[in-house]
Amino acid sequence: ETGVTQTPRHLVMGMTNKKSLKCEQHLGHNAMYWYKQSAKKPLELMFVYSLEERVENNSVPSRFSPECPNSSHLFLHLHTLQPEDSALYLCASSQVLDTVAHEQYFGPGTRLTVT
Amino acid sequence: GQNIDQPTEMTATEGAIVQINCTYQTSGFNGLFWYQQHAGEAPTFLSYNVLDGLEEKGRFSSFLSRSKGYSYLLLKELQMKDSASYLCAGLDSNYQLIWGAGTKLIIKP
Repeated sequence: ETGVTQTPRHLVMGMTNKKSLKCEQHLGHNAMYWYKQSAKKPLELMFVYSLEERVENNSVPSRFSPECPNSSHLFLHLHTLQPEDSALYLCASSQVLDTVAHEQYFGPGTRLTVT
Repeated sequence: GQNIDQPTEMTATEGAIVQINCTYQTSGFNGLFWYQQHAGEAPTFLSYNVLDGLEEKGRFSSFLSRSKGYSYLLLKELQMKDSASYLCAGLDSNYQLIWGAGTKLIIKP
């Protein structure tokens, strides 16, 4: 595997279900990100893990819970979601080195539908 | 507040040139990125500008004017495969990306 991989690619879940999205990066990066992409809206940054430490994002509802067990893996745990949470969830990684900006590499995303 | 503005949709003809504009307002500025995203696929990195001027990469070029808070992506010799959304993103003082909603580029034969 190369780059950034995400599973599953598609997920349909009911509002009472619990599911998890998985992301894995094979690039040796030290930062990972979860984004939400809705149609015709800007990418919404949900969570950032830099050097395995989480950067808080207070605007994300608690029904989304991230987990970063190591620098290569990132999870997004989902529970009691709402229909408006239906979107494409993208994972990305980058190398963070002090004040040097590096591009982010994205996974193919998980298309989530909440029924 | 922080904001990135770019046109929602543009149409161009195969073989022609198209310029996609982006204006930005960020808290501090550490550069501007352009990404390409084909339908149903991940965004892929195209360019990064932090200094004023034009950066050329083959058929694609990106321009930045920091004093005007303005950037553009120039695509030459358009091909059908260039049909995609083009995302502009500014890097703020905390090195967080502020994203535009993307410009959907439609290429016609």
